[in-house]
Amino acid sequence: DGGITQSPKYLFRKEGQNVTLSCEQNLNHDAMYWYRQDPGQGLRLIYYSQIVNDFQKGDIAEGYSVSREKKESFPLTVTSAQKNPTAFYLCASSTLARVQGANVLTFGAGSRLTVL
Amino acid sequence: KQEVTQIPAALSVPEGENLVLNCSFTDSAIYNLQWFRQDPGKGLTSLLLIQSSQREQTSGRLNASLDKSSGRSTLYIAASQPGDSATYLCAVKGVGSNYQLIWGAGTKLIIKP
Repeated sequence: DGGITQSPKYLFRKEGQNVTLSCEQNLNHDAMYWYRQDPGQGLRLIYYSQIVNDFQKGDIAEGYSVSREKKESFPLTVTSAQKNPTAFYLCASSTLARVQGANVLTFGAGSRLTVL
Repeated sequence: KQEVTQIPAALSVPEGENLVLNCSFTDSAIYNLQWFRQDPGKGLTSLLLIQSSQREQTSGRLNASLDKSSGRSTLYIAASQPGDSATYLCAVKGVGSNYQLIWGAGTKLIIKP
């Protein structure tokens, strides 16, 4: 079945460590996204990518980095510069619709990061 | 700047009731509005997408409406079931947003058996 796989589901990080969250999709989608979800808030966009080897910052990119070396993969690194990284992280993908706005997002199951 | 609000933050109703969830947005210049469902600790599932030119969309027991002029969308759930218990989020895509969605914080729905 086609879908998005995020790993790990749970991750614990010590202060000062970088951690990388994996996101893999087999939907042949061109666009991929990383969102952060905090309790009582809407999802906030961290980074997105529309094509291999290209990505753009979202609203809260500081302290995060991404790469898009393959169409199927869009890993997110949470660096030690991110001061409050404890959150639920969601990866999503979509087609690049010819009519802008028609692209429905497909989400992974999420990764919960906790800083110890 | 577009802002999306969902009120109430939580709602509890008995099984079998029809109910309405609300989503309001401040800028009527939108391409579309989407409703999603999120089960605890899980990702989001797209329920309905309404284009700016549409007034409503239906899928099974779900009906979503859009009134751009008043900045409102509603998600109507008919004959609610305990399996409908989840958090429901709406997201708006603005004109020229370059694939960015603006999200509401969601309404946590509990259907009591």
